[in-house]
Amino acid sequence: GQQLNQSPQSMFIQEGEDVSMNCTSSSIFNTWLWYKQEPGEGPVLLIALYKAGELTSNGRLTAQFGITRKDSFLNISASIPSDVGIYFCAGLNYGGSQGNLIFGKGTKLSVKP
Amino acid sequence: NAGVTQTPKFQVLKTGQSMTLQCAQDMNHEYMSWYRQDPGMGLRLIHYSVGAGITDQGEVPNGYNVSRSTTEDFPLRLLSAAPSQTSVYFCASSRDRGFSPLHFGNGTRLTVT
Repeated sequence: GQQLNQSPQSMFIQEGEDVSMNCTSSSIFNTWLWYKQEPGEGPVLLIALYKAGELTSNGRLTAQFGITRKDSFLNISASIPSDVGIYFCAGLNYGGSQGNLIFGKGTKLSVKP
Repeated sequence: NAGVTQTPKFQVLKTGQSMTLQCAQDMNHEYMSWYRQDPGMGLRLIHYSVGAGITDQGEVPNGYNVSRSTTEDFPLRLLSAAPSQTSVYFCASSRDRGFSPLHFGNGTRLTVT
Protein backbone atom coordinates (compact mmCIF):
# COMPACT_ATOMS: atom_id res chain seq x y z
CA GLY A 1 0.00 0.00 0.00
CA GLN A 2 0.90 3.66 -0.02
CA GLN A 3 3.44 4.79 2.54
CA LEU A 4 4.82 8.11 3.66
CA ASN A 5 8.45 8.35 4.75
CA GLN A 6 8.78 11.14 7.27
CA SER A 7 12.17 12.37 8.44
CA PRO A 8 13.84 12.92 10.71
CA GLN A 9 12.23 10.64 13.31
CA SER A 10 13.29 12.98 16.10
CA MET A 11 15.07 16.28 16.57
CA PHE A 12 16.70 17.89 19.60
CA ILE A 13 17.30 21.58 19.03
CA GLN A 14 18.12 24.75 20.91
CA GLU A 15 15.50 27.45 21.33
CA GLY A 16 15.81 29.98 18.51
CA GLU A 17 17.02 27.49 15.90
CA ASP A 18 15.15 26.82 12.69
CA VAL A 19 13.67 23.36 12.04
CA SER A 20 13.11 21.48 8.81
CA MET A 21 11.30 18.20 8.31
CA ASN A 22 9.97 16.44 5.26
CA CYS A 23 7.73 13.73 3.98
CA THR A 24 8.22 11.69 0.82
CA SER A 25 6.25 9.04 -1.00
CA SER A 26 6.45 6.93 -4.12
CA SER A 27 2.79 7.85 -4.78
CA ILE A 28 1.18 11.09 -5.86
CA PHE A 29 -1.15 12.91 -3.45
CA ASN A 30 -3.79 15.55 -4.13
CA THR A 31 -3.48 17.20 -0.73
CA TRP A 32 -0.75 17.39 1.90
CA LEU A 33 -1.54 18.13 5.53
CA TRP A 34 0.66 18.85 8.51
CA TYR A 35 -0.53 18.12 12.05
CA LYS A 36 1.01 18.74 15.46
CA GLN A 37 0.34 16.55 18.48
CA GLU A 38 1.13 17.81 21.95
CA PRO A 39 1.51 15.36 24.86
CA GLY A 40 -1.84 13.94 26.00
CA GLU A 41 -3.80 15.49 23.15
CA GLY A 42 -4.98 14.65 19.67
CA PRO A 43 -3.30 15.94 16.52
CA VAL A 44 -4.25 19.45 15.47
CA LEU A 45 -4.12 20.66 11.88
CA LEU A 46 -1.36 23.22 11.25
CA ILE A 47 -1.33 23.68 7.49
CA ALA A 48 -3.20 22.23 4.51
CA LEU A 49 -1.73 22.32 0.98
CA TYR A 50 -3.93 21.71 -2.05
CA LYS A 51 -1.82 22.50 -5.11
CA ALA A 52 1.54 21.30 -6.38
CA GLY A 53 4.21 23.92 -5.74
CA GLU A 54 2.07 25.73 -3.16
CA LEU A 55 3.91 27.45 -0.33
CA THR A 56 1.80 28.33 2.72
CA SER A 57 2.70 30.00 6.00
CA ASN A 58 1.04 29.96 9.41
CA GLY A 59 2.98 32.26 11.70
CA ARG A 60 6.49 30.84 12.09
CA LEU A 61 5.52 27.71 10.17
CA THR A 62 5.95 27.36 6.42
CA ALA A 63 5.00 24.29 4.41
CA GLN A 64 5.40 23.43 0.76
CA PHE A 65 3.62 21.00 -1.54
CA GLY A 66 6.34 19.46 -3.70
CA ILE A 67 6.14 20.08 -7.43
CA THR A 68 6.19 16.33 -8.14
CA ARG A 69 3.23 15.87 -5.72
CA LYS A 70 5.24 13.14 -3.99
CA ASP A 71 6.68 15.19 -1.17
CA SER A 72 6.10 18.01 1.28
CA PHE A 73 8.25 20.06 3.64
CA LEU A 74 7.60 21.85 6.91
CA ASN A 75 9.87 24.54 8.30
CA ILE A 76 9.63 26.16 11.72
CA SER A 77 11.58 29.36 12.19
CA ALA A 78 13.03 30.62 15.48
CA SER A 79 11.78 27.68 17.54
CA ILE A 80 10.36 28.21 21.03
CA PRO A 81 9.70 25.70 23.85
CA SER A 82 5.99 25.41 23.00
CA ASP A 83 6.92 23.98 19.58
CA VAL A 84 7.62 20.69 21.38
CA GLY A 85 5.48 17.82 20.12
CA ILE A 86 5.12 15.27 17.36
CA TYR A 87 4.61 16.60 13.85
CA PHE A 88 2.76 14.37 11.40
CA CYS A 89 2.50 14.74 7.67
CA ALA A 90 -0.49 13.24 5.90
CA GLY A 91 -1.22 12.74 2.24
CA LEU A 92 -4.74 12.60 0.85
CA ASN A 93 -5.97 10.98 -2.33
CA TYR A 94 -9.40 11.45 -3.80
CA GLY A 95 -9.71 7.94 -5.12
CA GLY A 96 -13.01 6.14 -4.72
CA SER A 97 -16.02 7.48 -2.85
CA GLN A 98 -14.05 8.86 0.07
CA GLY A 99 -10.69 10.32 0.81
CA ASN A 100 -7.81 8.01 1.56
CA LEU A 101 -5.63 9.72 4.16
CA ILE A 102 -2.17 8.28 4.84
CA PHE A 103 -0.11 9.44 7.83
CA GLY A 104 3.63 9.52 8.22
CA LYS A 105 5.13 8.08 11.42
CA GLY A 106 5.86 11.51 12.85
CA THR A 107 8.82 13.71 13.77
CA LYS A 108 9.29 14.20 17.50
CA LEU A 109 10.61 17.69 18.24
CA SER A 110 12.33 18.59 21.50
CA VAL A 111 13.38 22.19 22.18
CA LYS A 112 15.95 23.06 24.80
CA PRO A 113 15.43 26.50 26.37
CA ASN B 1 -17.94 24.47 20.74
CA ALA B 2 -16.75 21.04 21.96
CA GLY B 3 -15.55 19.58 18.62
CA VAL B 4 -14.77 15.86 18.96
CA THR B 5 -15.29 14.41 22.44
CA GLN B 6 -13.91 11.03 23.48
CA THR B 7 -14.66 9.10 26.66
CA PRO B 8 -13.15 7.67 28.74
CA LYS B 9 -9.70 9.27 28.76
CA PHE B 10 -8.06 6.22 30.37
CA GLN B 11 -9.16 2.59 30.66
CA VAL B 12 -7.61 -0.61 31.95
CA LEU B 13 -9.10 -3.92 30.86
CA LYS B 14 -8.32 -7.54 31.52
CA THR B 15 -7.80 -9.89 28.58
CA GLY B 16 -11.14 -11.08 27.27
CA GLN B 17 -13.21 -8.19 28.60
CA SER B 18 -15.29 -6.09 26.26
CA MET B 19 -15.87 -2.36 26.25
CA THR B 20 -17.01 0.55 24.12
CA LEU B 21 -15.00 3.70 23.46
CA GLN B 22 -17.33 6.63 22.93
CA CYS B 23 -16.92 9.38 20.35
CA ALA B 24 -19.24 12.30 19.68
CA GLN B 25 -18.87 15.36 17.45
CA ASP B 26 -21.01 18.49 17.37
CA MET B 27 -19.87 19.89 14.03
CA ASN B 28 -22.41 18.02 11.88
CA HIS B 29 -19.55 16.25 10.10
CA GLU B 30 -20.39 13.45 7.69
CA TYR B 31 -17.15 11.55 8.02
CA MET B 32 -15.92 9.95 11.24
CA SER B 33 -13.04 7.57 11.84
CA TRP B 34 -11.08 5.71 14.50
CA TYR B 35 -7.27 5.50 14.63
CA ARG B 36 -4.90 3.77 16.94
CA GLN B 37 -1.49 5.24 17.75
CA ASP B 38 1.38 3.02 18.78
CA PRO B 39 5.00 4.07 19.37
CA GLY B 40 6.91 4.28 16.10
CA MET B 41 3.83 3.31 14.06
CA GLY B 42 2.12 6.63 13.56
CA LEU B 43 -1.65 6.67 13.19
CA ARG B 44 -3.36 3.63 11.73
CA LEU B 45 -6.99 3.64 10.57
CA ILE B 46 -9.25 1.08 12.25
CA HIS B 47 -12.75 1.85 10.89
CA TYR B 48 -14.45 4.79 9.29
CA SER B 49 -17.92 6.01 8.40
CA VAL B 50 -18.99 8.31 5.57
CA GLY B 51 -22.43 8.91 7.05
CA ALA B 52 -25.10 7.56 9.39
CA GLY B 53 -25.71 3.87 8.72
CA ILE B 54 -22.52 3.41 6.67
CA THR B 55 -19.27 2.00 8.02
CA ASP B 56 -16.21 0.39 6.49
CA GLN B 57 -12.92 -1.16 7.52
CA GLY B 58 -9.60 0.60 7.59
CA GLU B 59 -6.06 -0.76 7.78
CA VAL B 60 -6.32 -2.60 11.14
CA PRO B 61 -10.00 -3.56 11.77
CA ASN B 62 -9.60 -6.99 13.42
CA GLY B 63 -10.97 -7.17 16.96
CA TYR B 64 -13.02 -3.99 16.65
CA ASN B 65 -16.63 -3.23 15.70
CA VAL B 66 -18.28 0.08 14.92
CA SER B 67 -21.75 1.39 14.18
CA ARG B 68 -23.08 4.80 13.16
CA SER B 69 -26.71 5.20 14.09
CA THR B 70 -26.55 9.02 14.25
CA THR B 71 -24.42 11.69 12.58
CA GLU B 72 -23.00 12.72 15.95
CA ASP B 73 -21.87 9.42 17.48
CA PHE B 74 -19.38 6.77 16.37
CA PRO B 75 -18.60 4.25 19.14
CA LEU B 76 -15.78 1.73 18.86
CA ARG B 77 -16.35 -1.68 20.45
CA LEU B 78 -13.68 -4.08 21.57
CA LEU B 79 -15.35 -7.49 21.65
CA SER B 80 -12.71 -9.47 23.56
CA ALA B 81 -9.75 -7.33 24.55
CA ALA B 82 -6.22 -8.58 23.90
CA PRO B 83 -2.86 -7.16 25.08
CA SER B 84 -2.10 -6.28 21.44
CA GLN B 85 -4.92 -3.75 21.65
CA THR B 86 -3.05 -1.72 24.25
CA SER B 87 -2.78 1.62 22.49
CA VAL B 88 -3.99 5.20 22.35
CA TYR B 89 -7.19 5.50 20.35
CA PHE B 90 -8.23 8.64 18.50
CA CYS B 91 -11.57 9.48 16.99
CA ALA B 92 -11.63 12.03 14.18
CA SER B 93 -14.21 13.71 11.98
CA SER B 94 -14.27 15.80 8.85
CA ARG B 95 -16.86 17.76 6.92
CA ASP B 96 -17.15 15.58 3.88
CA ARG B 97 -16.30 11.94 3.31
CA GLY B 98 -12.66 12.24 4.32
CA PHE B 99 -11.70 14.82 1.71
CA SER B 100 -11.47 17.66 4.22
CA PRO B 101 -8.89 17.89 7.01
CA LEU B 102 -9.63 15.78 10.08
CA HIS B 103 -10.48 17.13 13.52
CA PHE B 104 -9.25 14.82 16.28
CA GLY B 105 -10.46 14.11 19.80
CA ASN B 106 -8.00 14.00 22.70
CA GLY B 107 -7.72 10.24 22.73
CA THR B 108 -8.40 7.26 24.99
CA ARG B 109 -5.40 5.49 26.48
CA LEU B 110 -6.27 1.80 26.78
CA THR B 111 -4.21 -0.79 28.62
CA VAL B 112 -5.08 -4.48 28.37
CA THR B 113 -3.45 -6.73 30.96
